Amino acid sequence: AQSVTQPDIHITVSEGASLELRCNYSYGATPYLFWYVQSPGQGLQLLLKYFSGDTLVQGIKGFEAEFKRSQSSFNLRKPSVHWSDAAEYFCAVGGGGSYIPTFGRGTSLIVHP
Amino acid sequence: DVKVTQSSRYLVKRTGEKVFLECVQDMDHENMFWYRQDPGLGLRLIYFSYDVKMKEKGDIPEGYSVSREKKERFSLILESASTNQTSMYLCASSFLTYEQYFGPGTRLTVT
Repeated sequence: AQSVTQPDIHITVSEGASLELRCNYSYGATPYLFWYVQSPGQGLQLLLKYFSGDTLVQGIKGFEAEFKRSQSSFNLRKPSVHWSDAAEYFCAVGGGGSYIPTFGRGTSLIVHP
Repeated sequence: DVKVTQSSRYLVKRTGEKVFLECVQDMDHENMFWYRQDPGLGLRLIYFSYDVKMKEKGDIPEGYSVSREKKERFSLILESASTNQTSMYLCASSFLTYEQYFGPGTRLTVT
């Protein structure tokens, strides 16, 4: 069965600092990987996705993520965080003929001025 | 842009009431989903549908039912609302590439 682990429930960074949110997955084949962001009181918005090819993928809002098969990881990064990035971030994995992705529990990002 | 809309952003209902949550997507997506989201529990799948009139149970279907009479519309029904169904409800749709598009959510309070 596929699973996703986001080890950090909360992350606090200062505005302008770099950010890395961790995501580890368990999946038997080549996974499809996603990062979503949820602003308070809103639905989830797709930040970026990985299906195949270049393991470094670029997304919206200046985010990027790197797929590392050997580590079963798909960490999300941003070089300089803005106060508006404060939100909940979800990693998800899918594929293998099932169109139902598995979501991690989420990481709450807090940005200090 | 894909747009998924939900009929209400906030809803307050009484215990025992029948509750309808409506979701509409405008991108001709085959698949539609209903999740509930609770603090510390993440997203939990209630039901999904991969075609008109087709539905499959998710992880927590008890106390819920769904209806999909048209491709663009997927309804979640709480037959007799209870206080433990107070939650944020999220609708999503997808096509073949697994990425889901979410509506803004409905925050339901059952008193």
